[in-house]
Amino acid sequence: NAGVTQTPKFRVLKTGQSMTLLCAQDMNHEYMYWYRQDPGMGLRLIHYSVGEGTTAKGEVPDGYNVSRLKKQNFLLGLESAAPSQTSVYFCASSGEDREVETQYFGPGTRLLVL
Amino acid sequence: AQSVTQPDIHITVSEGASLELRCNYSYGATPYLFWYVQSPGQGLQLLLKYFSGDTLVQGIKGFEAEFKRSQSSFNLRKPSVHWSDAAEYFCAVKGWAAGNKLTFGGGTRVLVKP
Repeated sequence: NAGVTQTPKFRVLKTGQSMTLLCAQDMNHEYMYWYRQDPGMGLRLIHYSVGEGTTAKGEVPDGYNVSRLKKQNFLLGLESAAPSQTSVYFCASSGEDREVETQYFGPGTRLLVL
Repeated sequence: AQSVTQPDIHITVSEGASLELRCNYSYGATPYLFWYVQSPGQGLQLLLKYFSGDTLVQGIKGFEAEFKRSQSSFNLRKPSVHWSDAAEYFCAVKGWAAGNKLTFGGGTRVLVKP
C-alpha cells in the first residue's frame, strides 16, 4: 500500500494563478483532511471530508476550495493564489471519526506564491 | 474551544541524554491526546495516543508520554535520544464530542548533538 500520496511535491505560482493539489489514499478511508503548516503555528485544518461527495470547512478555509468526487481522492484548489498561501500543505486520511482514530499523513506539498 | 500549547520552540539535547517535551492543552473535559513526529521533508507520523486508562502511554521508537489531568499536560519523554530522533514534534488534541477535529500545537524542534 502506498498510503497517502500527494501531487505535486513542490510548486511555484505567481500571484493570481490557480492550481489544484491532489491527495490520494489507498486505505479505503472515509475521512480526508487538508492542512497547512506554517512556522510556529503547527498544522491548521483547511477543509475536510467525511465521505465521498461531502466537504466541510475547517479552521482556515478562505481562499481554498475542495472536492471529493471519488472516495480515494481529495482535491484542494486555489483559484487565485496569494503570497499568504505560501505554505506546506498536508493531506491526511482516517478510517472513522470515532474515539481515537489515527490520521495518516502524506509527505506534503511545498507551495511558494510569488 | 480546544487549544494546545507547546512552550518550547527548540530543544537541543546530546545523544544519549534524556528528552522531555512539554504539552499543555485547554479543553472542558479530558480530550484525546496525541504526539506526532515529523522528520525533515516528511509527513507526520503518530508516536502515541491517549484516550483513557493508564496515564502513562508507551509509543513507538522508545517514546512515552504521561497524562496529568491536574496540570492539563501530556508531556513526551524518551530516556536516551538517538541522532535519528532529530525532528519536529507536535502535540495534538481532539475533543470527544462528535465532529471535533484535531488541533495541533506549534511544534517543538529537537536538535541532537553528537
